[in-house]
Amino acid sequence: NAGVTQTPKFRILKIGQSMTLQCAQDMNHNYMYWYRQDPGMGLKLIYYSVGAGITDKGEVPNGYNVSRSTTEYFPLRLELAAPSQTSVYFCASSSNYGYTFGSGTRLTVV
Amino acid sequence: GQQVMQIPQYQHVQEGEDFTTYCNSSTTLSNIQWYKQRSGGHPVFLIQLVKSGEVKKQKRLTFQFGEAKKNSSLHITATQTTDVGTYFCAGSWAGNTGKLIFGQGTTLQVKP
Repeated sequence: NAGVTQTPKFRILKIGQSMTLQCAQDMNHNYMYWYRQDPGMGLKLIYYSVGAGITDKGEVPNGYNVSRSTTEYFPLRLELAAPSQTSVYFCASSSNYGYTFGSGTRLTVV
Repeated sequence: GQQVMQIPQYQHVQEGEDFTTYCNSSTTLSNIQWYKQRSGGHPVFLIQLVKSGEVKKQKRLTFQFGEAKKNSSLHITATQTTDVGTYFCAGSWAGNTGKLIFGQGTTLQVKP
């Protein structure tokens, strides 16, 4: 039982480049989330999904897009990367009692 | 917008001392959850509180949810070096479909 798997673990992007952060869960959870965590700070919700085909904005959605075509996968797309998007990104899933987080993607935009 | 405030931001204690972190919301929460994150790691779920005035214990950790469901606390008795990390509270509100908003976290350092 892998839980929540995120890839890649590390990535360096140049300003203006795009990338997709991958997230997969094998627990058949309906709820999935993307958070970002800046150094020494708490977690900010970017986007979330309550089921396949349903997504909604969180606290800090600008510069990001998501899709949820299946229960298992919830990729996060960064278009036109900016230095302000340098952060650690966590994907999480939930069955409405406690979140299970992935190990994170550490992204640097230079 | 909805937010939870958490204090203190940092706490340094001597091993064996007690530790408490507090979480506060300006509006009534439907539930509150607590997570622990070690340096370089990911948040790990500790507990969820749902009922007004609820108290739950996990060994040396005691979690409380206020009577008005607007505040919560985590108390660690007789800290150990293994307790080092950042503790986050996270709240959800009625009608927000399981979405959690995290507090800023309290980082605990324990001196042996």
